[in-house]
Amino acid sequence: DIVLTQSPGTLSLSPGERATLSCRASQSVTISYLAWYQKKPGQAPRLLIFGASRRATGIPDRFSGSGSGTDFTLTISRLEPEDFAVYYCQQYGSSVPTFGQGTKVEIK
Amino acid sequence: QVHLVQSGAEVKKPGASVKVSCKASGYTFTAYYMHWVRQAPGQGLEWMGWTNPPNGDTNYAQKFQGRVTMTRDTSISTAYMELSKLRSDDTAVYFCARLSYDSSGYYSGLDVWGQGTTVTVSS
Repeated sequence: DIVLTQSPGTLSLSPGERATLSCRASQSVTISYLAWYQKKPGQAPRLLIFGASRRATGIPDRFSGSGSGTDFTLTISRLEPEDFAVYYCQQYGSSVPTFGQGTKVEIK
Repeated sequence: QVHLVQSGAEVKKPGASVKVSCKASGYTFTAYYMHWVRQAPGQGLEWMGWTNPPNGDTNYAQKFQGRVTMTRDTSISTAYMELSKLRSDDTAVYFCARLSYDSSGYYSGLDVWGQGTTVTVSS
């Protein structure tokens, strides 16, 4: 199975700052089938990015994804109050989709 | 509007089974794979498996092999996830989610999710 390792575990930032989240895969992700999700307590996950860099419907353009192969990045250009949450990457290109362990973006 | 509506919370004893339902509306149920994901308290997201509604094919995470069964009833656009031999560490919120794709057939992530079903395993 492909293991996804996210870093850092926690990111402490202020509203308006830039957030850079990393996701590293143990082997190359097929056809860049890499997604990012936002998860808030008591809510279902929300798809932000798919195909490593394509924004899902309705996602603000302050969210962007990049990368290929084994290294991927989610960038939030200017944090809004509603962006403080846990973010997960997921690869869905193999027969066994896997999630990273998550990065918590918290208010500094 | 596209929706996935899951069944209500369950409390089960160790060793019992639980069956969670996920009713789809607003789209063609048989056109999309249905995945199941869970989140235990204080833990991350964990992929459990998928079912392919038109033919009932399934693929399960190795961790759940032998304990999980994913089925569907296309006549009522509903997917099911049954987990048997429950243990306390199966206490979690269970989600169903649709795997989307674009006009080129390129898979585009889990774009629609159910609201989650809390399963508590306790003696």
